Amino acid sequence: DTEVTQTPKHLVMGMTNKKSLKCEQHMGHRAMYWYKQKAKKPPELMFVYSYEKLSINESVPSRFSPECPNSSLLNLHLHALQPEDSALYLCASSQEASPSSYNEQFFGPGTRLTVL
Amino acid sequence: AQSVTQLGSHVSVSEGALVLLRCNYSSSVPPYLFWYVQYPNQGLQLLLKYTSAATLVKGINGFEAEFKKSETSFHLTKPSAHMSDAAEYFCVQGGSQGNLIFGKGTKLSVKP
Repeated sequence: DTEVTQTPKHLVMGMTNKKSLKCEQHMGHRAMYWYKQKAKKPPELMFVYSYEKLSINESVPSRFSPECPNSSLLNLHLHALQPEDSALYLCASSQEASPSSYNEQFFGPGTRLTVL
Repeated sequence: AQSVTQLGSHVSVSEGALVLLRCNYSSSVPPYLFWYVQYPNQGLQLLLKYTSAATLVKGINGFEAEFKKSETSFHLTKPSAHMSDAAEYFCVQGGSQGNLIFGKGTKLSVKP
């Protein structure tokens, strides 16, 4: 199984809502990532988890809260978002969070988030 | 700081024509280089990666890339474009912390 799954595929929420994005992989990867992608732009790294511990937080606002319950699951909790947070949110995983040509990242299909 | 430059934000070719997407990376030893493709409203799919075993790297869907250290380039090519190749292509370099450094992307259009 070389697939990263993400749910939901689409999400519409108001600025006062609380919602969560979910990501799952069963490849035994020990690094998982959240990216934000705006239209016509490359993905921007938000968070990196390595061995279930947060290793990189790219100065993301606190209204985004990541969680890694176990090595296969990654959540992104959303609260009090702004309309400018509307984007495609991508999850990815890799064997390790270390530089290597054998350490490519596998991406999920993304969650299209719209904040009203 | 490491950076990846993709020349041309939009490339248009006719079906059956050569596809050439250009990429220059930051010089680093060793460079970890990848090409990813993104179809509309989808995630990213790995096309190919440079592993230092060979300078000419073959990937999926008939794509290949040539690593040229002297030019710090990793251009992506395909001999004959197909309509299904229309997508956004990202040249990506592995960062020192295991992160990925993305180029700005090149949108490939294929005309019938």
